[in-house]
Amino acid sequence: GAGVSQSPRYKVTKRGQDVALRCDPISGHVSLYWYRQALGQGPEFLTYFNYEAQQDKSGLPNDRFSAERPEGSISTLTIQRTEQRDSAMYRCASSLKLKTATFFGQGTRLTVV
Amino acid sequence: GESVGLHLPTLSVQEGDNSIINCAYSNSASDYFIWYKQESGKGPQFIIDIRSNMDKRQGQRVTVLLNKTVKHLSLQIAATQPGDSAVYFCAENNQGGKLIFGQGTELSVKP
Repeated sequence: GAGVSQSPRYKVTKRGQDVALRCDPISGHVSLYWYRQALGQGPEFLTYFNYEAQQDKSGLPNDRFSAERPEGSISTLTIQRTEQRDSAMYRCASSLKLKTATFFGQGTRLTVV
Repeated sequence: GESVGLHLPTLSVQEGDNSIINCAYSNSASDYFIWYKQESGKGPQFIIDIRSNMDKRQGQRVTVLLNKTVKHLSLQIAATQPGDSAVYFCAENNQGGKLIFGQGTELSVKP
């Protein structure tokens, strides 16, 4: 695609529900990243993939958060048993390979009520 | 270490002037840097990147300078326009794919 595409753009969920956020990277991009951004701050790293392999998940806050990229293209970030503190903008990014221009999507605004 | 700021520094410039946005990065082992522009309600937009084997890189109306001695990065915007108004973030990479973002600087351009 022309850019990194994320869906849904907005998600409101009840506390305790599971949510799945989708990211469709730029076609041909090997590396895919997930970040979380609070208002007024820069994005905070969560995890990243090269092809289908999750290389670093050190930024995932706890074991309720998981991510996958089974075929090396589309990725899903799943949050189980959501809590209000999970409310944030979740951003996906992709790059041709590591340490190259990295492009962000528009993000998914998650609100847990 | 990593720092997160809640109060964004602000730079106010007159349209047509040059802007310089500064960033101090944290890790001397960082070898790749990116500048992003973020407008309200939008995702970070890639502006320009630089590797640690370079001191300067130029793009269209923008120049990034890297001073590894003092761990300092700057973004220069020539002939600043109202459309340049946004928050600007620097990001550093020192291992794998993890980008660490600075606190951001809000650029305000007066017409």
